Amino acid sequence: GENVEQHPSTLSVQEGDSAVIKCTYSDSASNYFPWYKQELGKGPQLIIDIRSNVGEKKDQRIAVTLNKTAKHFSLHITETQPEDSAVYFCAASQAGRRALTFGSGTRLQVQP
Amino acid sequence: DAGITQSPRHKVTETGTPVTLRCHQTENHRYMYWYRQDPGHGLRLIHYSYGVKDTDKGEVSDGYSVSRSKTEDFLLTLESATSSQTSVYFCAIRPATEGFDEQYFGPGTRLTVT
Repeated sequence: GENVEQHPSTLSVQEGDSAVIKCTYSDSASNYFPWYKQELGKGPQLIIDIRSNVGEKKDQRIAVTLNKTAKHFSLHITETQPEDSAVYFCAASQAGRRALTFGSGTRLQVQP
Repeated sequence: DAGITQSPRHKVTETGTPVTLRCHQTENHRYMYWYRQDPGHGLRLIHYSYGVKDTDKGEVSDGYSVSRSKTEDFLLTLESATSSQTSVYFCAIRPATEGFDEQYFGPGTRLTVT
């Protein structure tokens, strides 16, 4: 089955700096890669996703890149703000298949 | 929370007792999922459903059963709770629209087994 590894487990940045979280996956058949943000006491919230026919996708301050050859994808947050502080999860699946395989999460802390 | 509610939101129970968690959705989405979240493990799939009375196992299904008698409700049952089942449980839904892969999560249920 699929295995997703996520790094780093914790990340502390100064407000205004950029943050990068990286994930690798094992199953070359995976073709859907979402990112979730989870705030304390809440369920994961989908913030951006990418499919394997695309190399990069942006949404305001958030971007995701995908390298299918190397089987890794990354989340980039620019101009970080204190409200970006949360736990971020990457995931992978074969589009249309049953479920997502998640990474172990990255706790991002943005220092004001 | 994409029209998803989970009940109860918090529960403390004793080892050996049965427990049922409920996930309710208001959008009649076809696919529903139960995940558990534990430190260092992200979220792991317990069971999922692709329609009324159609369910299948995930990677951590031992000790759990599910039922879906109505489109809107997906129940997760711990037949005899153990301390290893102390966790936060999340329900998720996914519409059946062709090419639509996004999953949306409920607010979670924190279960403590003493």
